[in-house]
Amino acid sequence: AQSVSQHNHHVILSEAASLELGCNYSYGGTVNLFWYVQYPGQHLQLLLKYFSGDPLVKGIKGFEAEFIKSKFSFNLRKPSVQWSDTAEYFCAVNAGNTGKLIFGQGTTLQVKP
Amino acid sequence: DTGVSQDPRHKITKRGQNVTFRCDPISEHNRLYWYRQTLGQGPEFLTYFQNEAQLEKSRLLSDRFSAERPKGSFSTLEIQRTEQGDSAMYLCASSPWPNTEAFFGQGTRLTVV
Repeated sequence: AQSVSQHNHHVILSEAASLELGCNYSYGGTVNLFWYVQYPGQHLQLLLKYFSGDPLVKGIKGFEAEFIKSKFSFNLRKPSVQWSDTAEYFCAVNAGNTGKLIFGQGTTLQVKP
Repeated sequence: DTGVSQDPRHKITKRGQNVTFRCDPISEHNRLYWYRQTLGQGPEFLTYFQNEAQLEKSRLLSDRFSAERPKGSFSTLEIQRTEQGDSAMYLCASSPWPNTEAFFGQGTRLTVV
């Protein structure tokens, strides 16, 4: 069965620190990969997506992610976090031809001012 | 606001009662998805529609759950004889298939007491 694993459940950083959130998926075929963010009290919003091409994708608010096919990974990075990045982050994979998303369990990021 | 709209935002019901939630997708999005999210977990896929056709139902969707999208626009999710284990956030998303980028609503939080 397809699955997504996020290894960091709760991350606490100070402002200006660098961020890397891990995401691994299990699926042997072609995948589309996503990172969604949920700010407190708001709906899930797309941060970035990978469909094909350059494995390094850039998203909104200075986030980027790198698809490493050999490692089945799609880690999220940001060089310098801000207090406003405090949120829950979800990695998701769309495997097969359905459009349905398989989500990881999420990572809560807390940025201290 | 032209995003995905869900109603109600919150619902408290007594065990054994029936509840119905509504989702209005982004207009002209042909795919509509329902997910369920419990505390500390990522969203879990429940079911999805291509226009008015329900194409897949998760094993999570017991026979107490039913979803419809009668005219290929809005959708309803009904839970009959609610149980405490049904307490969760129910999320709706839509996408303009074959584009797989999904846009989420703010969800309906169900509490069964």
